[in-house]
Amino acid sequence: GAVVSQHPSRVICKSGTSVKIECRSLDFQATTMFWYRQFPKQSLMLMATSNEGSKATYEQGVEKDKFLINHASLTLSTLTVTSAHPEDSSFYICSAPNWKQETQYFGPGTRLLVL
Amino acid sequence: AQTVTQSQPEMSVQEAETVTLSCTYDTSENNYYLFWYKQPPSRQMILVIRQEAYKQQNATENRFSVNFQKAAKSFSLKISDSQLGDTAMYFCAFTRYYNQGGKLIFGQGTELSVKP
Repeated sequence: GAVVSQHPSRVICKSGTSVKIECRSLDFQATTMFWYRQFPKQSLMLMATSNEGSKATYEQGVEKDKFLINHASLTLSTLTVTSAHPEDSSFYICSAPNWKQETQYFGPGTRLLVL
Repeated sequence: AQTVTQSQPEMSVQEAETVTLSCTYDTSENNYYLFWYKQPPSRQMILVIRQEAYKQQNATENRFSVNFQKAAKSFSLKISDSQLGDTAMYFCAFTRYYNQGGKLIFGQGTELSVKP
């Protein structure tokens, strides 16, 4: 099956710093990728759609200046949490649709802890 | 707008028994895809099974099968011969796929515990 990687798997940072999370589709090209946030025992909450070569589309209530998304190539999307605060602590997951297989694959997630 | 509902927040089953997880959805579309994803304690989302709406035959993957009732907008997952490794959160998801760029709409999830 298709593979999506995510890096780092875990990050601890100080309040006020910025953190970058990378999402890569390893064996297929992804013109679109998705970024989710998940709290314990809850469903995935879609934050934004990352579009290769154009601006990301953010869901209602998600601050685009806070969560910067860049889709630099057909296999890489990055999420940067700017000026992170403790309330940004969460589990962040990316996904990419594989059009050939008509299925969506997920990265392993990044656990962010802001102190 | 499409919605997905999983009405069972938690379920448990004895090892080797069969369990069915429920999922209903609401859409006015005729062509779409439905998925069940498993999220074990590692939190990696794993595809369990997929169903295309235009196919009447229910999808099957080894011990996992679905009961897809298009008119009733129901998409339940049956796990046969439950194993301890099946313990996980299970999410039902819907997508119009090509019309939405692959955007998935998730249900609330069902936490399944398989007991020895």
